[in-house]
Amino acid sequence: AQSVTQLDSQVPVFEEAPVELRCNYSSSVSVYLFWYVQYPNQGLQLLLKYLSGSTLVKGINGFEAEFNKSQTSFHLRKPSVHISDTAEYFCADFGNEKLTFGTGTRLTIIP
Amino acid sequence: NAGVTQTPKFQVLKTGQSMTLQCAQDMNHNSMYWYRQDPGMGLRLIYYSASEGTTDKGEVPNGYNVSRLNKREFSLRLESAAPSQTSVYFCASSEMGLAYEQFFGPGTRLTVL
Repeated sequence: AQSVTQLDSQVPVFEEAPVELRCNYSSSVSVYLFWYVQYPNQGLQLLLKYLSGSTLVKGINGFEAEFNKSQTSFHLRKPSVHISDTAEYFCADFGNEKLTFGTGTRLTIIP
Repeated sequence: NAGVTQTPKFQVLKTGQSMTLQCAQDMNHNSMYWYRQDPGMGLRLIYYSASEGTTDKGEVPNGYNVSRLNKREFSLRLESAAPSQTSVYFCASSEMGLAYEQFFGPGTRLTVL
């Protein structure tokens, strides 16, 4: 069965420090990978997506992610975080006509 | 553009009561979705409508029904609410199918006592 694993449920990071949020997918037929962000009391919005081509994908708000097929990973990174990045981040995998979300990583920025 | 709107924002029900959650989008999207979000479980798809006139079950359809009223509107009905249906419900839409970027509404927080 298709699954998406977000290894960390919570990640605290100091302001202006770099961050990496980890995501591993299991589908052997994964086609597309996504990262969504959910700010407090809001719906999700798309940060970035990988469809094909370059394995380094750039998204909004300075985030980027790298698709690694051999490690079945799609980790999200930002070189310097800001207070406004406090949110929950969801990785999602589309394959076999099904979209599967991970359980989310709550990013907390420490001033 | 309002994007995706949902009503109500909050609702408290007693076990056995019924209610309908409303969703509308103004982006002319073909596909619409209903998800529930529970702590530690991410988002789970309840029902979706790939295009006007069609609906299909998602991962957790039991206890729910949907209606795709027209291209803009997609409603979710709980016929007899149960405490296990306490959750945050999100409606979303996309241009065409699950592989496309989804646009989410602000959510409805439902509590069933």
